[in-house]
Amino acid sequence: EDQVTQSPEALRLQEGESSSLNCSYTVSGLRGLFWYRQDPGKGPEFLFTLYSAGEEKEKERLKATLTKKESFLHITAPKPEDSATYLCAVRGGGATNKLIFGTGTLLAVQP
Amino acid sequence: GAVVSQHPSRVICKSGTSVKIECRSLDFQATTMFWYRQFPKKSLMLMATSNEGSKATYEQGVEKDKFLINHASLTLSTLTVTSAHPEDSSFYICSARGQAKNIQYFGAGTRLSVL
Repeated sequence: EDQVTQSPEALRLQEGESSSLNCSYTVSGLRGLFWYRQDPGKGPEFLFTLYSAGEEKEKERLKATLTKKESFLHITAPKPEDSATYLCAVRGGGATNKLIFGTGTLLAVQP
Repeated sequence: GAVVSQHPSRVICKSGTSVKIECRSLDFQATTMFWYRQFPKKSLMLMATSNEGSKATYEQGVEKDKFLINHASLTLSTLTVTSAHPEDSSFYICSARGQAKNIQYFGAGTRLSVL
């Protein structure tokens, strides 16, 4: 069964304090690992898609990396506006079209 | 990124009434659309998947007669909550994926409150 586990559940950082969020997954035939950002009362905003181990993608202060078992979302020198819930999801190679979501990491960056 | 528009953003209704939520892909053709429900501080729960022109596929435990989904065109899907009750109060989010890309884009969500 495809599964996604995110850790930590919540993370509090000081502005400028870099850290990483983890997404561990088990899936049959990975067809993409996705990172989204969700602000309170809003829908998820697409950040990155990764497809194969070793792949990395960057956007401003965020960098996503992928191995065969997990993905990391690295946040460098975060700012208060980076505060949000970060969701990880995988799409497997089965017949389903579904994204399997983790429960998210709630990030709070304090000034 | 692609834009998915969802309306209304918030709706308050009386128990027993029906509510329709619209989801539109503004700059791409959405061959597949998804409807999710999200409880406070929880992750997204997939309710159903629909392909344009086909009947929706509902997840286990989701009442198809209560949550009517229509995907009549490549840019529009609707979710109708029929005979809404207070327990249907929730945050509903739609998502769309085009044929060319593997990425799902999400709407801004609809907060439904049933009195």
